[in-house]
Amino acid sequence: DGGITQSPKYLFRKEGQNVTLSCEQNLNHDAMYWYRQDPGQGLRLIYYSQIVNDFQKGDIAEGYSVSREKKESFPLTVTSAQKNPTAFYLCASSNPGLAPYFGAGTRLSVL
Amino acid sequence: GESVGLHLPTLSVQEGDNSIINCAYSNSASDYFIWYKQESGKGPQFIIDIRSNMDKRQGQRVTVLLNKTVKHLSLQIAATQPGDSAVYFCAEKSGGYQKVTFGIGTKLQVIP
Repeated sequence: DGGITQSPKYLFRKEGQNVTLSCEQNLNHDAMYWYRQDPGQGLRLIYYSQIVNDFQKGDIAEGYSVSREKKESFPLTVTSAQKNPTAFYLCASSNPGLAPYFGAGTRLSVL
Repeated sequence: GESVGLHLPTLSVQEGDNSIINCAYSNSASDYFIWYKQESGKGPQFIIDIRSNMDKRQGQRVTVLLNKTVKHLSLQIAATQPGDSAVYFCAEKSGGYQKVTFGIGTKLQVIP
């Protein structure tokens, strides 16, 4: 069953804590993406990666970090520097020239 | 800074009528465009795409029109059904880069 798996579905962060959101794909896609979505708003690009061991900042990268050590995995860390982390986080993957395919999302809240 | 309290444009359509959702894109170098449907609490779902060397593409009950002159994209849904109620986003990609950016979105409400 091919697809993108995001975990956890819900995540709570305490003040000053770093949290990591998982994204795994078995579609053999080269590119992977992280987007943030706030209530009633569109998707904003945080980071994207075109190949393993390479990634680029999107439009709102401050307070976030990523790694791409394996083709299948693109974890996102929300650091304590991100002062307003409450949002719906979406991971996607694609091959060159094709539309990104999205996971089900992780909803992050602050305690 | 972030926009606070930004509300999505809403389109209300009678069941059975045709829907037209519009999108203005910003980058004249964009060469690939995508429409997504997002239901509440879920990830966006691919509907249809179009490349810049085309001006029209049809799928099942959906048609995408591209006007590069005015940087405008539209999604037409024929015989709109209650299950079409969702938020619809357009997205654009340029050149060889994999960066995909999204428009603001439109909420479609289907009136039974």
